[in-house]
Amino acid sequence: KQEVTQIPAALSVPEGENLVLNCSFTDSAIYNLQWFRQDPGKGLTSLLLIQSSQREQTSGRLNASLDKSSGRSTLYIAASQPGDSATYLCAVKGRGSTLGRLYFGRGTQLTVWP
Amino acid sequence: DTEVTQTPKHLVMGMTNKKSLKCEQHMGHRAMYWYKQKAKKPPELMFVYSYEKLSINESVPSRFSPECPNSSLLNLHLHALQPEDSALYLCASSLVGENTEAFFGQGTRLTVV
Repeated sequence: KQEVTQIPAALSVPEGENLVLNCSFTDSAIYNLQWFRQDPGKGLTSLLLIQSSQREQTSGRLNASLDKSSGRSTLYIAASQPGDSATYLCAVKGRGSTLGRLYFGRGTQLTVWP
Repeated sequence: DTEVTQTPKHLVMGMTNKKSLKCEQHMGHRAMYWYKQKAKKPPELMFVYSYEKLSINESVPSRFSPECPNSSLLNLHLHALQPEDSALYLCASSLVGENTEAFFGQGTRLTVV
């Protein structure tokens, strides 16, 4: 069964710092990997989707990389802002699951202070 | 429009009540999902509908009854719930296929008293 791990569980940084969130998964047979943002008590907002054939995706200050063979992904946030404070979840879609079953990590809770 | 709309946003119900959660999307997605999320935990898959047919039931108790009346709507009917069923219920949708992106709603915060 696919296991997804996110490190660190929590991160607190001053505004302006560049930071990296890590995600690892045990089975490299995946279709894609998604990074989500979740504000307290709210739903999930999709940030970036990386297909298994891709190495990197960028959106604004966010950059996500994927190394499928080693089972790792990183989410890089440049010039962090207090508005980036949220929980960040990564999820992989395993092969053999065209119905879109996602396997989630437990998330990294990010706090950016002014 | 990349929006999945869930209603209500908050729901408080007694253990003998019957209530329903509603989810709607107009992105032409033919796969729709219910997830349950407890505090500080990742979302857990409950049900998957594909082309309006139930495809996956993750051994969810029968007090949760899903329904997909058409390609845009997904309901979750609740009856005789327990306090431990209190959670955030998330609806998601996607195209049916391999490399598809999942879109989530804002969730319904359910409290069972």
